[in-house]
Amino acid sequence: DSGVTQTPKHLITATGQRVTLRCSPRSGDLSVYWYQQSLDQGLQFLIHYYNGEERAKGNILERFSAQQFPDLHSELNLSSLELGDSALYFCASSPWEETQYFGPGTRLLVL
Amino acid sequence: AQSVTQPDIHITVSEGASLELRCNYSYGATPYLFWYVQSPGQGLQLLLKYFSGDTLVQGIKGFEAEFKRSQSSFNLRKPSVHWSDAAEYFCAVGNNNAGNMLTFGGGTRLMVKP
Repeated sequence: DSGVTQTPKHLITATGQRVTLRCSPRSGDLSVYWYQQSLDQGLQFLIHYYNGEERAKGNILERFSAQQFPDLHSELNLSSLELGDSALYFCASSPWEETQYFGPGTRLLVL
Repeated sequence: AQSVTQPDIHITVSEGASLELRCNYSYGATPYLFWYVQSPGQGLQLLLKYFSGDTLVQGIKGFEAEFKRSQSSFNLRKPSVHWSDAAEYFCAVGNNNAGNMLTFGGGTRLMVKP
């Protein structure tokens, strides 16, 4: 157990819908990272927050957004969902910009 | 841009045999390098990391990796594989100029024969 929690574990929704994935980092970690794992793209970095501020963006679609709250938990919002958004979404946390510890992931299925 | 290549998509070894998983990276400066393991339906567990110093790093579960700058490689090794090591292994490089975002290789799926 890495100490990073993600909810929900599984999510099934329809095209065009909007979902919110939640991540709670390890106690004391200020950095939260989001990654997407899909069969065709592999593991890809989406976005990084440090202590509430966005630090870096990767290949994140405009339909996707994220934020980190004062209590340091983070949410990834996915809207206007498409079939191709079906994937495993991971959150990772770290104390600063060091070793990242991954949560168990949220498996999203868009039908 | 940084990149990671894991040349072997699948590897099968016999239980008790030695293992080496290959990883080659492309990065402009001294890299931060990581190996993670993912069991079916699970998240990513950190096996080991290299930031600086001794180029041979020890990790959990009896794994080790050697950083070779001249070959841009960070291969993972284990002297004797156990059936429970069957999983997918990912090599990653961290961009320490961009919040240490990780770039992952495509992964190597390890199967262990009894």
